[in-house]
Amino acid sequence: EDKVVQSPLSLVVHEGDTVTLNCSYEVTNFRSLLWYKQEKKAPTFLFMLTSSGIEKKSGRLSSILDKKELFSILNITATQTGDSAVYLCAVLNRDDKIIFGKGTRLHILP
Amino acid sequence: KAGVTQTPRYLIKTRGQQVTLSCSPISGHRSVSWYQQTPGQGLQFLFEYFSETQRNKGNFPGRFSGRQFSNSRSEMNVSTLELGDSALYLCASSLSAGGYEQYFGPGTRLTVT
Repeated sequence: EDKVVQSPLSLVVHEGDTVTLNCSYEVTNFRSLLWYKQEKKAPTFLFMLTSSGIEKKSGRLSSILDKKELFSILNITATQTGDSAVYLCAVLNRDDKIIFGKGTRLHILP
Repeated sequence: KAGVTQTPRYLIKTRGQQVTLSCSPISGHRSVSWYQQTPGQGLQFLFEYFSETQRNKGNFPGRFSGRQFSNSRSEMNVSTLELGDSALYLCASSLSAGGYEQYFGPGTRLTVT
């Protein structure tokens, strides 16, 4: 059965800290891995990763995929209170089916 | 450009009833996907519509159905509601079929009593 596992489930850090969120997957016919940020209701798209070893970067957020070890990490440097959210990892397979992890709830203390 | 809109935002129904939820995608987007989000199961894919055709379906019973209209607006229907159907139902639109770089709506919170 296809699955996406995120860790940790929740994380509390202080503003300014750097955090690393993990996502491992077991999915047949992998196509790409996606990261979303969900603050209140609607998840917002962060990154799509298709190739191993190529870092995607957007401001203080970056992500990388390891297709050999079947995982991805999302890094957030110099965290701010506005980074508090649930971060969702999802994997898209070649049948265009998307499987989400249960998310990591990140709370940034001022 | 207006975002994805969903109506209603909140809904309370009783067991056995049916419900219809609506989603209007971003203008120009032709793909609409529906998801169910619960604390226990997380975000689960229901189905995707593109050009009025269902492209993909998740592992949900036949009580869950949907359709898409020629203007790309989509509706989702759940018949014979069960308590376990209480969830946040999210729809997402994208330019093309395939499910990546989707833009999510605010969701409809359905409570079944």
